[in-house]
This record gives sequence, C-alpha cells and structure tokens, in this order.
Amino acid sequence: GAVVSQHPSWVICKSGTSVKIECRSLDFQATTMFWYRQFPKQSLMLMATSNEGSKATYEQGVEKDKFLINHASLTLSTLTVTSAHPEDSSFYICSAPQGDVHNEQFFGPGTRLTVL
Amino acid sequence: GQNIDQPTEMTATEGAIVQINCTYQTSGFNGLFWYQQHAGEAPTFLSYNVLDGLEEKGRFSSFLSRSKGYSYLLLKELQMKDSASYLCASMDSNYQLIWGAGTKLIIKP
Repeated sequence: GAVVSQHPSWVICKSGTSVKIECRSLDFQATTMFWYRQFPKQSLMLMATSNEGSKATYEQGVEKDKFLINHASLTLSTLTVTSAHPEDSSFYICSAPQGDVHNEQFFGPGTRLTVL
Repeated sequence: GQNIDQPTEMTATEGAIVQINCTYQTSGFNGLFWYQQHAGEAPTFLSYNVLDGLEEKGRFSSFLSRSKGYSYLLLKELQMKDSASYLCASMDSNYQLIWGAGTKLIIKP
C-alpha cells in the first residue's frame, strides 16, 4: 500500500511557541490530505482538509489562524500549531487518499504533541 | 445529525471469534470503513464495504446492510496481537469520513 510519513513523531514545547508538523506522501501524489486530532480514548476528529494549491477547508470550531495549513506540493502538507497551549496537547494524524477520494485513506504514523 | 455507534469495549479469548457491531447515520453514504488502531499508533486500513453483504479477507470479515445502517467486523482465530481499538467510519455524500469512537478489544489467553 501507499506510504505516508509524518515528522516529527513527537514533540515537546513550551507554551506560546509554534510547532510545525509535516505530512508527506512518499510514493504517490496527494491533491488532498486530511488532518485529524485524537485525544486519549476518543475518536479521530477531523480538523481540516488540505488542498494542494488552494486554501484548506476547516471544520467547524477549528481556528484557522491557530492551525495553519499549507499544502505546498502534491506530496507535502504542513500543519503549524501557533502559540501552542497545554490544551493543544494531542495526537495529530494526517491521512491521504491515493487517487480518488473514494479510496481508503493512508494514515501517517502520527505526531504526539505535548505543550508544557 | 450524523452519528456512528459502536461498543466501547469488548473482551474475547485467544483462538475464539468476536463480532464488533457498528450502526451509522450519515448524510448520504459512500461506503463503510473499518480500521485497526493500536495504542499510540495511527489507524491502519482493514476493510471497505459499499455494497450489501460479506467481504472476507483472511481472518477478518466485514458485513454491510445499507437498509439497516449496520455493519459488523468479524475476527476469527483471535491472536493476542489483535488486541487494539477497532474504528468504524462511514463516508458521507461529501466523501468525508465520519468516525465512531472505536471499540477497544481485549484478548485474554
């Protein structure tokens, strides 16, 4: 199957700093990528849909000025958590469908963010 | 509204069979997905059903009834490594995945 990577795997930062998370499709091109957040023992929550060459589509309740998304190429989307606070600590996961959006989504390994 | 229901937790014995049920209500329907997620890891794809019936893939099978808004994941010959959370997700008319909270499966020797 297709491979999606994320970097970093985990990050610890101080409150008020910004953190950038990268999501790459390694062996296929992805015009669309999805960013999820998952709190312990809870389901995946879609934050936004990242579209190559255009603005991301954010879900209701997700602050677009706080969670900046840039889909600069067909293989890379970045999520920047600006001015992070302890409540932003979570497991952030990206996914990308290979080809048609009907297809299964391939998930990155996730990034665990801890804000002190 | 859109809603996915699945049991929070199930326990089964190594070597046995377990069925994890999922009911869904979404705006439109473009398929039902099952994913496996081990603690601290990202989900991995197990199955996709868009037509009624049973899809078998090795020890895992998935069933769909669109008229009932119901699916189940059947795991046979359970192994300890099958201990994980199993996520049910329905794809709506906008091709967006609506996720259930997951069923934590505990396998006992």
